[in-house]
Amino acid sequence: IVLTQTPLSLAVTPGQPASISCKSSQSLLHSTGQTYFHWYLQRPGQSPHLLIYEVSNRFSGVPDRFSGSGSGTDFTLKISRVEAEDVGVYYCMQNLQFWTFGQGTKVEI
Amino acid sequence: EVQLVESGGGLVQPGGSLRLSCVGSGFTFSTYWMTWVRQAPGKGLECVAIINQDGGEKYYVDSVRGRFTISRDNAKNSLYLQMNSLRAEDTAVYYCSRYDYWGQGTLVTVSS
Repeated sequence: IVLTQTPLSLAVTPGQPASISCKSSQSLLHSTGQTYFHWYLQRPGQSPHLLIYEVSNRFSGVPDRFSGSGSGTDFTLKISRVEAEDVGVYYCMQNLQFWTFGQGTKVEI
Repeated sequence: EVQLVESGGGLVQPGGSLRLSCVGSGFTFSTYWMTWVRQAPGKGLECVAIINQDGGEKYYVDSVRGRFTISRDNAKNSLYLQMNSLRAEDTAVYYCSRYDYWGQGTLVTVSS
């Protein structure tokens, strides 16, 4: 399964919204009804950490300015008001079949 | 607190071997699928190998199949990656991941 992120880089202004898209080469909906799709942020010099799991669920400690949406093959991560600490590379990931990641979207202020 | 701590990285010559280890704490290690993910310098994330809870199911990315072996010892809360026939393109930071938690990574450099 191939995940394609757009854009690959994004310059944002603090306080403004931002959005990242991820398209899958096939549906990530399992027969159980779960969608095996997630978003991660890797800040400079750090390991990745989970932001959103199963499309739209914020992981523990993740601010509510982050939201995820989508279904099937098309997914979106939105930041309602960007803050300086949000800089880094955002990755989408699917684990319906093995694990694959999108190319990453570099977010800069 | 969930923690994953990798070790075993270093400099190795092409064709050489290395064994990575990851120790998990703060959770019931034996109940989780575990994964090794790598990141080449300046590049994105690539899943290398996945193992199920009892070690009976293992999956590999094509580029390492036959050279790398993932294993685990639930009694020691440990995950392993045996890497043989290493190539320059295997140079990367290797992360141990439970999918929702990740370790800090260990650097593997394959160079003569």
